[in-house]
Parts: sequence; C-alpha cells; structure tokens
Amino acid sequence: QLQLQESGPGLVKPSETLSLTCTVSGGSISSSSYYWGWIRQPPGKGLEWIGSIYYSGSTYYNPSLKSRVTISVDTSKNQFSLKLSSVTAADTAVYYCARRPNSSSWRSWGQGTLVTVSS
Amino acid sequence: DIQMTQSPSTLSASVGDRVTITCRASQSISSWLAWYQQKPGKAPKLLIYKASSLESGVPSRFSGSGSGTEFTLTISSLQPDDFATYYCQQYNSYFTFGPGTKVDIK
Repeated sequence: QLQLQESGPGLVKPSETLSLTCTVSGGSISSSSYYWGWIRQPPGKGLEWIGSIYYSGSTYYNPSLKSRVTISVDTSKNQFSLKLSSVTAADTAVYYCARRPNSSSWRSWGQGTLVTVSS
Repeated sequence: DIQMTQSPSTLSASVGDRVTITCRASQSISSWLAWYQQKPGKAPKLLIYKASSLESGVPSRFSGSGSGTEFTLTISSLQPDDFATYYCQQYNSYFTFGPGTKVDIK
C-alpha cells in the first residue's frame, strides 16, 4: 500500500525558505512509471500545482513560482523535497506531496501539512 | 498559461438528484482532464482521468465527458457521501486546477 508523508516545519518566518520532505513507503521513488509532485492549497481556497520531479532528477515547475522553487529527489532515502524561498504570508497553505503515473494525473496523495508564514 | 473555469461555484442538491458540473479550459487540452473530489481536511481524491476514464474503485455513478475546451462531470444519483467540493484539472501543459464546485445539501 503506497503511502506518502509530508514533514517539515509548520511555521516559517517571512523572507525565509520553506523546506518540506515527502517520504514514500510501499513503493519505490526510482520507478520509471511515475512522477512525484508538490501541490498546495491556501486555507479556504483552491489547489495550485507547485512542481514535479522524475526519479532521474528532471524537474518541472509552475512558471509563477519557478524563481523560488527547488524540488529534489533522494532515491537512497525514498524521499523527495521542496524548497520555496523568500516566503510571504501568501505562501501559507496546506502542502501536499503526490504521485502520478505517466499519462495520468495525481492519483496518490499525502495527508498534507499546514505551513504558516508568520513572524 | 491554460486557465480553467468551473460552473456553478456552488450547487445545492438532494440525495438522488442528477448533478452536472461544467469545466472549461482557455484553450484546447484534448482529453487531458481530471476530476477530483475533496472533503474538508482531506486530500483530493482522483475520480476521473483522461476526461472520461473512471479511476479504479470510484463508483460508477460518476462519469466524465468532453474534449477540447468543454468538459462535464456527472453524478447520476447523488449519495450522502458525495457532498464535497469538486475540482477539474488540466494536464495538457503542466497542471492547472479549476476553482472548484461545492456540492451541498439542499
């Protein structure tokens, strides 16, 4: 049974870097059949795709966030990570990690973690 | 960028009703469209992919149709478990979600 679990600080100060990790269990992050991604949802609002990564390290970022986002993969730990720099209150959201098969959409999701940007 | 719109934004319905939600893309996305259901405090759940393919384990009362720029999600007979917010999402070019349609109890 595939499980994805987000972890990281729940509170980040403005202008600092938000860092989250997604730990994958019940499946290999090195599979060529899947992409891994981050999606966020501000409280009471809709969903926004942040970016995706393939096990090879190829990355794809939302153009509106590209200058601030870095997604990386650690196949030895079966994890992938998100870094979002220069955060503001507008980056306060529930952050989800997710997996999608090639040619399909986001099928498996973590439970989400709330990150609040505040001093 | 591809923009997605949904209508209505809120829909009040009763158990047993047939419910239809419309999603439109700002440019053609072929059939690269997914539908999700989200309940409060939970992650979204994939219902439909490639516009009309039912995800494994999803009840057959859910169906999707459309191609190009206009798509619909239909629930043939609304059940108590179906009261939730529904999002469409294109994956023709990166990923963009619609603003959501909340289905609540009439």
